[in-house]
Amino acid sequence: GENVEQHPSTLSVQEGDSAVIKCTYSDSASNYFPWYKQELGKRPQLIIDIRSNVGEKKDQRIAVTLNKTAKHFSLHITETQPEDSAVYFCAARSYSSASKIIFGSGTRLSIRP
Amino acid sequence: DTEVTQTPKHLVMGMTNKKSLKCEQHMGHRAMYWYKQKAKKPPELMFVYSYEKLSINESVPSRFSPECPNSSLLNLHLHALQPEDSALYLCASSQGESGTDTQYFGPGTRLTVL
Repeated sequence: GENVEQHPSTLSVQEGDSAVIKCTYSDSASNYFPWYKQELGKRPQLIIDIRSNVGEKKDQRIAVTLNKTAKHFSLHITETQPEDSAVYFCAARSYSSASKIIFGSGTRLSIRP
Repeated sequence: DTEVTQTPKHLVMGMTNKKSLKCEQHMGHRAMYWYKQKAKKPPELMFVYSYEKLSINESVPSRFSPECPNSSLLNLHLHALQPEDSALYLCASSQGESGTDTQYFGPGTRLTVL
C-alpha cells in the first residue's frame, strides 16, 4: 500500500525567512497531493493541493512542487509570519484506492520573531 | 454552507457508557469519513461512507459503530471503549470518492475515556 514519508519532523525559521517541507510517496499510482495545516486544538485545513498532471502550483506565499519521476513533493512557504506556526501534513491519494488519503507524519513549524 | 460540523466538541465517558458522535455537512458531498487522531500524530482513517453505504472499514474494533442516516449526516456510536481510545475524532467529507476530491474536515470531538 501507499506510504508517505515527511521531513523534517520539526522546523524553526526566522520570521520573514522561507520554510521548506519535503515528502516522498511510494505508490506510483498516486495522483493527488494535498497539504493540510493544523493549528493546536483545531481541525486540519487544506492550504494547497496539486494533481499529478501539474509540476508546480502557487498561492500567494505558498507553493507546492511535484516530481513524479522521483515520487516526491514539497511545500514552500516564503516570507514566513507568526501565524504560519502550526503542524503541516502532506498527504497522497492513490487512484487505485481513491477514498484513502495517506498522511505523512507531520512537521511542526515554529516561526521565531 | 461550506463547513463540516461536529457535536459534541468534548466528551468524557466511562468504559461502560454508550455515546454517539455526530457529523453534518450541507455541501452536497456524497462521501463522508471518520478519522481518529492521537496527539502529535496524523489523522488515521477509520471508516468511509460513499452514497450512504459503508465502503471502507479499516479493521476498526466493533466497539465503534458508524451510521449514515442520510447524505448529510454521519454518526459514530461508541460502546465499551477503552482508555486508549481517547483521541480527537475527526469527520470529513468530499464531493465523491474520486482520486482528486478534496476532503474537508470538521473541528473534531475530543474524547476522553476514563
